Amino acid sequence: EAGVTQSPTHLIKTRGQQATLRCSPISGHTSVYWYQQALGLGLQFLLWYDEGEERNRGNFPPRFSGRQFPNYSSELNVNALELEDSALYLCASSLDTSGTHNEQFFGPGTRLTVL
Amino acid sequence: AQSVTQPDIHITVSEGASLELRCNYSYGATPYLFWYVQSPGQGLQLLLKYFSGDTLVQGIKGFEAEFKRSQSSFNLRKPSVHWSDAAEYFCAVGPVGGFQKLVFGTGTRLLVSP
Repeated sequence: EAGVTQSPTHLIKTRGQQATLRCSPISGHTSVYWYQQALGLGLQFLLWYDEGEERNRGNFPPRFSGRQFPNYSSELNVNALELEDSALYLCASSLDTSGTHNEQFFGPGTRLTVL
Repeated sequence: AQSVTQPDIHITVSEGASLELRCNYSYGATPYLFWYVQSPGQGLQLLLKYFSGDTLVQGIKGFEAEFKRSQSSFNLRKPSVHWSDAAEYFCAVGPVGGFQKLVFGTGTRLLVSP
């Protein structure tokens, strides 16, 4: 069974540009999560999508946005890039979240570098 | 607010020696607790999880962790470390505020000496 996949592996942008990161969850998983792992800041929760809807977002500005498609894949968009947006962006997926908490399975991440 | 503390930033262990990584949490109810491992340049791999029941949980790669409610701890242990265990280890708690997200500790980097 394929795991969570993310593309691209690396992304280099300049300040002010927009970045688009993509994630495909494990087959059968309906929830997708995005986390940012920036140097010195640890892993920070960004966004949670379930059944195509944004369910929760972390303490990030509105220029961080995303969506979930009907096939449950997801896209994270970062507008007006700033130097401090340089980080590893991790996507995770889990089964239907109704009922008990479901463990999250992580992808390999996209390394975003903003110059 | 929910939080996770991993007090050790770096730990060096000799190959074959035992390992214990500390994790303390702050959570209003019974938490769901996780340990993840991250090798350089890689994503996170789940080692083990605690939801309820037996407070000693077994995971993959020979790891185990013990949930101690009285100490708000969920320490990770391994009886004999292998060089391939060198990585960064993250403790996490969830759900948070009724939402299915994880709050992570800052991580502990494990170095294994020959």
